[in-house]
Amino acid sequence: EIVMTQSPATLSVSPGERATLSCRASQSLSSNLAWYQQKPGQAPRLLIYGASTRATGIPARFSGSGSGTEFTLTVSSLQSEDFAVYYCQQYSNWPLTFGGGTKVEIK
Amino acid sequence: QVQLVQSGAEVKKPGSSVKVSCKASGGTFSRRAISWVRQAPGQGLEWMGGIIPVFGTTNYAQKFQGRVRITADESTSTAYMELSSLRSDDTAVYYCARGHSSGYNWFDPWGQGTLVTVSS
Repeated sequence: EIVMTQSPATLSVSPGERATLSCRASQSLSSNLAWYQQKPGQAPRLLIYGASTRATGIPARFSGSGSGTEFTLTVSSLQSEDFAVYYCQQYSNWPLTFGGGTKVEIK
Repeated sequence: QVQLVQSGAEVKKPGSSVKVSCKASGGTFSRRAISWVRQAPGQGLEWMGGIIPVFGTTNYAQKFQGRVRITADESTSTAYMELSSLRSDDTAVYYCARGHSSGYNWFDPWGQGTLVTVSS
């Protein structure tokens, strides 16, 4: 099973600032990685797939990068609606696995 | 745009079974993989398994093998997840989610979630 490790667990950021979230895989994924945003009481929402392709309707301030075992999600200028938990997910091998999440909170 | 609508919350006794449904509307159902993902209270996301309705083929995470059964009814565009031998640590929100193609990859969209509470 591929283990996904996200860091930091919590990120405190002021509105308008840049947020950088990391996701590391225990083995190479190529670009088979997705990112999701989840707000309290809601289902996760797809942000990024293929490590760097934004899903339909996702604002350009969200960007993904990386390949192999190291990946990054960047939010260029945090808006109030961006404070949430973010998960990475690999789909390179079964079972599909998720990282433990990064909570982005208001500083 | 496809939407996934799940059945309502359930309260179950330890040792019993639960069956959650996920109905798709407004888009392709049969040729896309439908997965089930659960989230225990305050915890992360865990993939349980999935089905490709047009083929009826299933894949399960080893952790749930023998305890979970995922089925689909193409005539009603509905997928089902049945979990047996319930324990207290099965208390979670259970989500269905559609894959991008007939493979298992990223999930979009997701159902609204079904809370299953296991308590004596």
